[in-house]
Amino acid sequence: RKEVEQDPGPFNVPEGATVAFNCTYSNSASQSFFWYRQDCRKEPKLLMSVYSSGNEDGRFTAQLNRASQYISLLIRDSKLSDSATYLCVVNRGTASKLTFGTGTRLQVTL
Amino acid sequence: DAGVTQSPTHLIKTRGQQVTLRCSPKSGHDTVSWYQQALGQGPQFIFQYYEEEERQRGNFPDRFSGHQFPNYSSELNVNALLLGDSALYLCASSIGTEPSYEQYFGPGTRLTVT
Repeated sequence: RKEVEQDPGPFNVPEGATVAFNCTYSNSASQSFFWYRQDCRKEPKLLMSVYSSGNEDGRFTAQLNRASQYISLLIRDSKLSDSATYLCVVNRGTASKLTFGTGTRLQVTL
Repeated sequence: DAGVTQSPTHLIKTRGQQVTLRCSPKSGHDTVSWYQQALGQGPQFIFQYYEEEERQRGNFPDRFSGHQFPNYSSELNVNALLLGDSALYLCASSIGTEPSYEQYFGPGTRLTVT
């Protein structure tokens, strides 16, 4: 079983739609959680950290459920520029080694 | 404020050769981590350097080695290149090694082994 699992997609949504991505992690000792976005053939860019209380940044909302070992990302009012691969990332707490999921691809269309 | 920089951008090597990739961390950052990203996969952790020492290592063979310099920049060396080493090599920097600290990635070096 992979340490971080994501639905690879692609998710094809129209502009303005709300879309949600889910991610599960297997190691209960995981301490920190992040969402990164990666455009084609570019580096991952930090989208947001994920906290137990949930957090919001504009159109983006991230939530963490430690009991279910589950992380989510909600994007409201999707823009064409949101088209990218979204990577769920977990840090197990030993130093700062990040473990990435394989990513979920989002395509926003007109 | 300069972000993470990496060189070269692209590299083509022949099987069996050796390669050195370079990374300069974001201003104010002292920790450098290296990742390998194969096509269609998420990045895989290679190792991390802090205070000029390798602090943690992922599941990569000894052919992969690194170094950190006093100015916090870092090198990744790969010996005896294999076709399977073809990938995007990413460097990420952070302040310290705490798990909650956010890591910022450079643009990567795309290595092709023929």
